[in-house]
Amino acid sequence: GQNIDQPTEMTATEGAIVQINCTYQTSGFNGLFWYQQHAGEAPTFLSYNVLDGLEEKGRFSSFLSRSKGYSYLLLKELQMKDSASYLCAPRSGYALNFGKGTSLLVTP
Amino acid sequence: DVKVTQSSRYLVKRTGEKVFLECVQDMDHENMFWYRQDPGLGLRLIYFSYDVKMKEKGDIPEGYSVSREKKERFSLILESASTNQTSMYLCASTGNSPLHFGNGTRLTVT
Repeated sequence: GQNIDQPTEMTATEGAIVQINCTYQTSGFNGLFWYQQHAGEAPTFLSYNVLDGLEEKGRFSSFLSRSKGYSYLLLKELQMKDSASYLCAPRSGYALNFGKGTSLLVTP
Repeated sequence: DVKVTQSSRYLVKRTGEKVFLECVQDMDHENMFWYRQDPGLGLRLIYFSYDVKMKEKGDIPEGYSVSREKKERFSLILESASTNQTSMYLCASTGNSPLHFGNGTRLTVT
């Protein structure tokens, strides 16, 4: 298995910026995914990092440091619809293992 | 658009029953996965398959088995359902792309 650690809950205000951190320990690391999951729905893909650095995709960015076993997801200009769980998922070989997720609440 | 279809959205079974959860994908993906999701525990990998007739145990395979007779179909089998297998079950598939999930099957074992 893998050790994946991310905060359980976060709260932020509409229009603000929030950073969700993830640390992991895994053998055979092969990239890291971030997924978004709204209540009662399946997870949907947000971003993928395989090399160190920042990947930007609209309001969402993801950062990876392989040597530190660390990633973060940055959400800018928060909207109410961003209230969801955010799942960090490092890949090892074929398998994708997920963290327990960070539940983000965006308030007016 | 990738489509991963799980046969049932909700299922209620009795303790001791044999349960089949079916998953079909339409993108010719090699890799398919079964996860269960429980509050406070997140998504946990049960089994995965990287080719027809191939299977690998995930983190929590006990009490489950799988079948991959055709590339597009990956079945999860509960040989004798127990109440601690009440959960949301999610199937996923990937080729050389992000994981795509089905909508999930909420299984209740009474």
